[in-house]
Amino acid sequence: AQTVTQSQPEMSVQEAETVTLSCTYDTSESDYYLFWYKQPPSRQMILVIRQEAYKQQNATENRFSVNFQKAAKSFSLKISDSQLGDAAMYFCAWNRDDKIIFGKGTRLHILP
Amino acid sequence: NAGVTQTPKFRILKIGQSMTLQCTQDMNHNYMYWYRQDPGMGLKLIYYSVGAGITDKGEVPNGYNVSRSTTEDFPLRLELAAPSQTSVYFCASKDRVGTGELFFGEGSRLTVL
Repeated sequence: AQTVTQSQPEMSVQEAETVTLSCTYDTSESDYYLFWYKQPPSRQMILVIRQEAYKQQNATENRFSVNFQKAAKSFSLKISDSQLGDAAMYFCAWNRDDKIIFGKGTRLHILP
Repeated sequence: NAGVTQTPKFRILKIGQSMTLQCTQDMNHNYMYWYRQDPGMGLKLIYYSVGAGITDKGEVPNGYNVSRSTTEDFPLRLELAAPSQTSVYFCASKDRVGTGELFFGEGSRLTVL
């Protein structure tokens, strides 16, 4: 069975600094997707970034980038130039077909 | 472009009452999901469906029922509400093919007193 582990329940970062959120997963599949979702206090789930497992190149979306290590089954999220609006719960997720597995989340605090 | 629509957004129930959370999506997605999220916690899968007429249990199905008579609608029924069902409920959908992205509704906050 697939599992997704986020080992950091909470993290804090100074505004304008860089922070990395960790995610590891376990799967025997070779083709799948990985995602980071953001949940701000409004509770709306927002897609931050997506990675296709067959692509070696790490995905980037503006200030958000991932470090995807397929062999190590690691998928960390780097947020550069942290902003107050980045404060949220971040969930890592694994997907193949109808199966979607979420990690327990990391709460990110931004310190002004 | 509505996406995934959930109603109601807020509801207070008394113990033993029943209710239905409505979910509809206009993206013609095959897969639909119901999650619950307790305060400060992650998402727990209640039920999911891979197409009209097909439903399956997730990790916390007890006390809930679902149906999927159309591609668009996936209502969640709570029978005999209990305080343990106080939570925020999210409906989500995704396409069978494509990017794998899960599209979420805005959530429904349910309180059972």
